[in-house]
Amino acid sequence: QLQLQESGPGLVKPSETLSLTCTVSGVSISSTFYYWGWLRQPPGKGLEWIGTINYSGSTYYNPSLKSRVTISVDTSKNQFSLKLSSVTAADTAVYYCARRGNSGYDWFDSWGQGTLVTVSS
Amino acid sequence: DIQMTQSPSSLSASVGDRVTITCRASQGISNSLAWYQQKPGKAPNLLLYAASRLESGVPSRFSGSGSGTDYTLTISSLQPEDFATYYCQHYYSTPPTFGQGTKVEIK
Repeated sequence: QLQLQESGPGLVKPSETLSLTCTVSGVSISSTFYYWGWLRQPPGKGLEWIGTINYSGSTYYNPSLKSRVTISVDTSKNQFSLKLSSVTAADTAVYYCARRGNSGYDWFDSWGQGTLVTVSS
Repeated sequence: DIQMTQSPSSLSASVGDRVTITCRASQGISNSLAWYQQKPGKAPNLLLYAASRLESGVPSRFSGSGSGTDYTLTISSLQPEDFATYYCQHYYSTPPTFGQGTKVEIK
């Protein structure tokens, strides 16, 4: 059974880099069928797609965040990670990792529980 | 970016009611639309994709329709567990974007 679990600091200072990891269990992240994504949701607000990666490290990002985002994959640990640099209070959100459906399109059929990251000094 | 606009933003309904939520895209998206349900403190849960295809395990009271720029999610007979916020999301182009959500509350 597929499970995704986000981990990382819950508090990040302004101008620093937010770093999160998603550990995948129940399926190999190296599967060619699936891509893996990060999304976020500011408290009380809607959802925003951050970016997507596949097993070989091929990535594509939301243009609004592209200059600050890096997503990477570690197949040996069955994990993928998010780094968001130069954070501000506007980056405070619940961050989700998710699996992209195997249709080749960016809808997400399995999600982690989410982790709240607060940007504050 | 393609803008997704949902209506209404919230609605009150009773158990057993038929509920319809609308999602309008700022340009045609060729049925490249997914619907999610989100309960408080939980991650979104995929209900439908390709506008009308039901995700495995999702009750058949949920259905989707539409074409071009206009899409609907229908719950044929609202159940107590359906009180939640619903989001549409297009995946026609990058970036995929979401509607602002429709909160379904108990009347």
